[in-house]
Amino acid sequence: QVQLVQSGAEVKKPGASVKVSCKASGYTFTSYYMHWVRQAPGQGLEWMGIINPSGGRTNYAQKFQGRITMTRDTSTSTVYMELSSLRSKDTAVYYCARVSGPSPHLDYWGQGTLVTVSS
Amino acid sequence: DIVMTQSPDSLAVSLGERATINCKSSQSVLYRSSNKNYLGWYQQKPGQPPKLLIYWASTRESGVPDRFSGSGSGTDFTLTISSLQAEDVAVYYCQQYYSSPPAFGPGTKVDIK
Repeated sequence: QVQLVQSGAEVKKPGASVKVSCKASGYTFTSYYMHWVRQAPGQGLEWMGIINPSGGRTNYAQKFQGRITMTRDTSTSTVYMELSSLRSKDTAVYYCARVSGPSPHLDYWGQGTLVTVSS
Repeated sequence: DIVMTQSPDSLAVSLGERATINCKSSQSVLYRSSNKNYLGWYQQKPGQPPKLLIYWASTRESGVPDRFSGSGSGTDFTLTISSLQAEDVAVYYCQQYYSSPPAFGPGTKVDIK
């Protein structure tokens, strides 16, 4: 069965970077694009970007340009999202989510990783 | 960028009654060559990731109960829960994927009256 398992919660100081991982299993890793979406406490869903695990091509939301990097490791079927220059407003749950086969929507989601930015 | 809005912000419905959530996009999400609306609906329960309910505006994801239905085209869409169950208490989001960035609506919270 398809599973996306994310790394554990992180606590970071303002100005630091965080790297969240998302390990995929149960399907052909390189055949499905992966998104990253975040959710601040009590708030809605915010799209951050997308990566093609096959070639590594990325597309980031303009809001995060310059401080976000998405990468993948095909040998371990893992995608990574690194966010730098963290500020308190980056405190959120970060999700990876797979693009569906029949549609461009998101059919499988990771469990989420809480990133807390606090001095 | 396409902006998504939802109404109402929240609603409370009696068990067994109908719940209706509206979603509007700032421009059409209908791809004319395929006649498909690039619009999906997600359900999010507390402490859980979102779950895909509906895609192409009206196609139920596998395993989703048939009390959930989606309708609409172009810029105006509706998610209907025909007979609300206790397990349907959640926040519901629409999302467009017609163009990047694939924006979500702000969400509608559904509770039991």
